[in-house]
Amino acid sequence: RKEVEQDPGPFNVPEGATVAFNCTYSNSASQSFFWYRQDCRKEPKLLMSVYSSGNEDGRFTAQLNRASQYISLLIRDSKLSDSATYLCVVPQRPAGGYNKLIFGAGTRLAVHP
Amino acid sequence: GAVVSQHPSRVICKSGTSVKIECRSLDFQATTMFWYRQFPKQSLMLMATSNEGSKATYEQGVEKDKFLINHASLTLSTLTVTSAHPEDSSFYICSASRSSSNIQYFGAGTRLSVL
Repeated sequence: RKEVEQDPGPFNVPEGATVAFNCTYSNSASQSFFWYRQDCRKEPKLLMSVYSSGNEDGRFTAQLNRASQYISLLIRDSKLSDSATYLCVVPQRPAGGYNKLIFGAGTRLAVHP
Repeated sequence: GAVVSQHPSRVICKSGTSVKIECRSLDFQATTMFWYRQFPKQSLMLMATSNEGSKATYEQGVEKDKFLINHASLTLSTLTVTSAHPEDSSFYICSASRSSSNIQYFGAGTRLSVL
């Protein structure tokens, strides 16, 4: 099983739609999670952090289900500018090592007029 | 948010040459810096983790003699791709984090094309 798994998409949705992505992770000890957004040929940018059951920031809501080991990202009222790849990221700290981030392969979202 | 500068943004070079990429944290001291590689339509893959003043920790399968990392100060890390070959062509991205934080701030990336 991959450490972080995401549906690659693409999700093609009209403006104004609500869309949700799921991400599953394999390490049950993981405590915090991130959603990053990556535009084509650009660097990832932090969208949201998730430390407990969930987090909400405007049109974006992230939820965490520890029992099932998945994190979701909900985008309401989609805008054209939301078109991007959304990366699910799980920090890990190997024994004796440094904190590192494990990236999912990303879910591509395309919002059309 | 914190700012990380990466330079150059684009490199085109001949096979066999060495390429140096710089990563700087502009407004904070980066205890740890990370180097990633991303091939088209794939996710970011961590290459190595570096802490100021110590040797970098390389991920499995990454050749330390080919990808030289120097983290000379709390604001600068460099990655040198030695004797680059076409298969090294990729998008290289650095990131930096503050002490004890999981959040990483990314540079804008360097697109390397080896002819």
